[in-house]
Amino acid sequence: KQEVTQIPAALSVPEGENLVLNCSFTDSAIYNLQWFRQDPGKGLTSLLLIQSSQREQTSGRLNASLDKSSGRSTLYIAASQPGDSATYLCAVFRGGADGLTFGKGTHLIIQP
Amino acid sequence: IAGITQAPTSQILAAGRRMTLRCTQDMRHNAMYWYRQDLGLGLRLIHYSNTAGTTGKGEVPDGYSVSRANTDDFPLTLASAVPSQTSVYFCASSEQGSTEAFFGQGTRLTVV
Repeated sequence: KQEVTQIPAALSVPEGENLVLNCSFTDSAIYNLQWFRQDPGKGLTSLLLIQSSQREQTSGRLNASLDKSSGRSTLYIAASQPGDSATYLCAVFRGGADGLTFGKGTHLIIQP
Repeated sequence: IAGITQAPTSQILAAGRRMTLRCTQDMRHNAMYWYRQDLGLGLRLIHYSNTAGTTGKGEVPDGYSVSRANTDDFPLTLASAVPSQTSVYFCASSEQGSTEAFFGQGTRLTVV
């Protein structure tokens, strides 16, 4: 069974810092990995999708990398802002009946 | 663009009652999913549908049923609600299973 782990579970940093969120998964046979943002009481917003054949994807201040063979992904946030405060979720898609398998998230607080 | 619409937004339901959570998407996506999100357990797949007319069971399907009569709608039914079904329910869709997934805003269900 695929398991996804996110470290750290929570993170609080001052505004302006660059930071890295980590995601690891146990089964490297995935089609893609997706990073989401979830604000309190809200749905999930897709941030970045990395296909299994790709090494990284970038969107604005966000950069996500994927090392499929080692079962790891990182989400890099540059020049963090208070508006980046949210829970960040990593999910992998393996196909079939699994749908997306999610990690439990990293709760991020950016201090003004 | 509405994306994915879920209804109701929240509901308090007496145990033993029947309830249908509605999900409609306007992106003409083939694949649709239902997840539940619980504190400490993260998001778990309940049921999925890869295309209209087909459905499948996810990780936690017991007590739930789905149908997919057309491309746009994917209702989730609780035949006889129990308190352990208290959760936040998210509907999601993707063009195919391996492409970017988009989520609705969720339905917060409390079974008392």
